[in-house]
Amino acid sequence: EAAVTQSPRNKVAVTGGKVTLSCNQTNNHNNMYWYRQDTGHGLRLIHYSYGAGSTEKGDIPDGYKASRPSQENFSLILELATPSQTSVYFCASGETSSYEQYFGPGTRLTVL
Amino acid sequence: GEKVEQHESTLSVREGDSAVINCTYTDTASSYFPWYKQEAGKGLHFVIDIRSNVDRKQSQRLIVLLDKKAKRFSLHITATQPEDSAIYFCAAETGGYKVVFGSGTRLLVSP
Repeated sequence: EAAVTQSPRNKVAVTGGKVTLSCNQTNNHNNMYWYRQDTGHGLRLIHYSYGAGSTEKGDIPDGYKASRPSQENFSLILELATPSQTSVYFCASGETSSYEQYFGPGTRLTVL
Repeated sequence: GEKVEQHESTLSVREGDSAVINCTYTDTASSYFPWYKQEAGKGLHFVIDIRSNVDRKQSQRLIVLLDKKAKRFSLHITATQPEDSAIYFCAAETGGYKVVFGSGTRLLVSP
């Protein structure tokens, strides 16, 4: 069954450390997205990609980098993690000409 | 840029009653409005959408209404069941196959 998976599901990091969140999709979708979910803010778009090798800045990209090495994989990188980046992160994929998105289960990140 | 405001942060209804969640948006150019459901501890999944060329869409117990003049859209869940309990997010497209989400409404359906 087509799916979006994320790893790790839970992560505790130290301030100033590097964190990589990974996303894999078997939907063969070109579009992929990274969001963070915080109470009162809903989901906010961090980075997105239209295909392998492409990354674009979303609405709140500061402090985050993204990497899309292949159709299936999209990573979110926090080079210098800060406590303000404590959140739940969701990855999603979508078809080229569609707004409908398919979400992974989320990664809960705590930065101490 | 587009902003979406979701008016009810929590909503409690009795099983069998209807639930209504209201959202407003700012960009008159937005033409696509999806709704997503998030069950506890899970990611979001798509439940229904509406495009700006219609003002009403129904899928089983879900009805979406769109008022373009007021820049308002709403999700109506009829004959609610306990399994409808979840967080519901409205969203509006912002171009480039991206959407902006509302802040979410926690719906609790009690027996």
